[in-house]
Amino acid sequence: DVKVTQSSRYLVKRTGEKVFLECVQDMDHENMFWYRQDPGLGLRLIYFSYDVKMKEKGDIPEGYSVSREKKERFSLILESASTNQTSMYLCASSWTSGGADTQYFGPGTRLTVL
Amino acid sequence: GDSVTQMEGPVTLSEEAFLTINCTYTATGYPSLFWYVQYPGEGLQLLLKATKADDKGSNKGFEATYRKETTSFHLEKGSVQVSDSAVYFCALGLIQGAQKLVFGQGTRLTINP
Repeated sequence: DVKVTQSSRYLVKRTGEKVFLECVQDMDHENMFWYRQDPGLGLRLIYFSYDVKMKEKGDIPEGYSVSREKKERFSLILESASTNQTSMYLCASSWTSGGADTQYFGPGTRLTVL
Repeated sequence: GDSVTQMEGPVTLSEEAFLTINCTYTATGYPSLFWYVQYPGEGLQLLLKATKADDKGSNKGFEATYRKETTSFHLEKGSVQVSDSAVYFCALGLIQGAQKLVFGQGTRLTINP
């Protein structure tokens, strides 16, 4: 079974702190994604990566950065957390095969910024 | 731009009722279409998918047919169970480097015994 794990299920941080969210997948997937999930808005793509050290902006990259130094690990960084970044963060991964590939999701990290 | 519109929730049904959750999309090109489900406290998991027009995806008694003429991918189940209570997301898949997904806003479904 594909397994995508996220470093924390719940996280509470203060405004201005630097926050790291870690995601690890065990299926040698090329692609990895970070989304945030907010009620009534569905999932919105923050950043994605299709290879080690490669990254592309999604729909809402402002206030975030990412790092992919190893194929299995994709980190989301909030350089200076703000209250409007309180949300559920979901990581996903997928293969690249030319068709529309299933994305496999982690359990999510619920981040609260005070 | 590309987008997905789902039926507003929440939806509450009794056990064994018939379920339809509407999903329509706008896309350039020919996307693949997906339904994902999120059970309480968990991440999303794929429920079913269809990759071309007139394809029917099915899983766990759920079905959805890719209708290009009406740009729709409605989710149906003939007899729902309490265990189907979850949030359901419709999504389209775009081939742009990585396989990006565009999600609808989600529909919360509650099934009462």
